[in-house]
Amino acid sequence: DVKVTQSSRYLVKRTGEKVFLECVQDMDHENMFWYRQDPGLGLRLIYFSYDVKMKEKGDIPEGYSVSREKKERFSLILESASTNQTSMYLCASHGRAFYNEQFFGPGTRLTVL
Amino acid sequence: EDKVVQSPLSLVVHEGDTVTLNCSYEVTNFRSLLWYKQEKKAPTFLFMLTSSGIEKKSGRLSSILDKKELSSILNITATQTGDSAIYLCAVEALKTDKLIFGTGTRLQVFP
Repeated sequence: DVKVTQSSRYLVKRTGEKVFLECVQDMDHENMFWYRQDPGLGLRLIYFSYDVKMKEKGDIPEGYSVSREKKERFSLILESASTNQTSMYLCASHGRAFYNEQFFGPGTRLTVL
Repeated sequence: EDKVVQSPLSLVVHEGDTVTLNCSYEVTNFRSLLWYKQEKKAPTFLFMLTSSGIEKKSGRLSSILDKKELSSILNITATQTGDSAIYLCAVEALKTDKLIFGTGTRLQVFP
């Protein structure tokens, strides 16, 4: 079974703090993704990565950066957290087969005060 | 711009009812359409549809794709309270590994 884990289920931070969200997958998947999920807006792609050290902007990259130093680990960084980044953050991964679903982590609910 | 639209946004039914959830898409170079169920945490995969007219079935859930109408439906028969969740539809395009998600349909099943 594919397992995608995220470092925290719940996180509360103050405005201006630097925040690291970590995601680890154990299936040797090449592709990894970070989404945020907000009521009425669905899942929106922040950043994704096709391979180690590679990253691509998604639909809403502003205010975020990412790091992929190892294949199994994809980190999302909020350099200076703001209240509008309060959200549920979901990490996902999938391999390179032609038809392949994404597997999701349990999510991190981040609150920025 | 690629987009995926789900309807209804929200649905409240009683146990035993049958529900139909809709997903329509405008995506360049369609590859596949996926349905996920999301309860309190991670979305879990239900179906992947790639060909028109072929029904996929899993227990009381079934889904079918209509490429001519650019849409898919997810049916749940004899609903149970455990079916309460957000149902997400996503579409993947060729030459990209990204999924474009709809906003989801929130289904609530009451006893």
